[in-house]
Amino acid sequence: DAKTTQPPSMDCAEGRAANLPCNHSTISGNEYVYWYRQIHSQGPQYIIHGLKNNETNEMASLIITEDRKSSTLILPHATLRDTAVYYCIVRSPAGGTSYGKLTFGQGTILTVHP
Amino acid sequence: GAGVSQSPRYKVAKRGQDVALRCDPISGHVSLFWYQQALGQGPEFLTYFQNEAQLDKSGLPSDRFFAERPEGSVSTLKIQRTQQEDSAVYLCASSLSGQQAQPQHFGDGTRLSIL
Repeated sequence: DAKTTQPPSMDCAEGRAANLPCNHSTISGNEYVYWYRQIHSQGPQYIIHGLKNNETNEMASLIITEDRKSSTLILPHATLRDTAVYYCIVRSPAGGTSYGKLTFGQGTILTVHP
Repeated sequence: GAGVSQSPRYKVAKRGQDVALRCDPISGHVSLFWYQQALGQGPEFLTYFQNEAQLDKSGLPSDRFFAERPEGSVSTLKIQRTQQEDSAVYLCASSLSGQQAQPQHFGDGTRLSIL
């Protein structure tokens, strides 16, 4: 699996957009970018994923650069409940000895303040 | 709908005891994963099931760890002769299939403390 690099921490004001960057310069053409978040004492929560195109759902938007070497997760209107650890993960296709497991890094601690 | 359910939420055991952790995946999900999360770290892969078949157990740290999913639904992670380094949160995740376009959905984990 390709390695990802994220800033260890970020701050955001409530109501403003939170833009969380992720570098994955060694990503392969068939690897997906996934984002999860983990709130204290809970399991990781799936947010969004994408391959090449930008994606949007009810939680967030995912912007992937054209060369696919980096991406940004956007929470359009951050609330206090968005305070969590955010993980950017590059996921290999299932096949051979890989069965689609997720490899988590250290993530970004996002703190949303009033 | 119901998500992934794990029980117990907390487990305290004395060193040397055996423990069993249960995972109820989302109904109809073929793929089931177990992860271990040490304090302050991201989750780490332990093992993977496709239906009842355990296809990858490369992440199990020792032969004291054993997982099963006999009917392709509920899964149990068993740890024999527990040691202090086994203290961690054990997370279960399920997905509709093992394909990379299918997201994994996690339970809230079992926090295991070995005294």
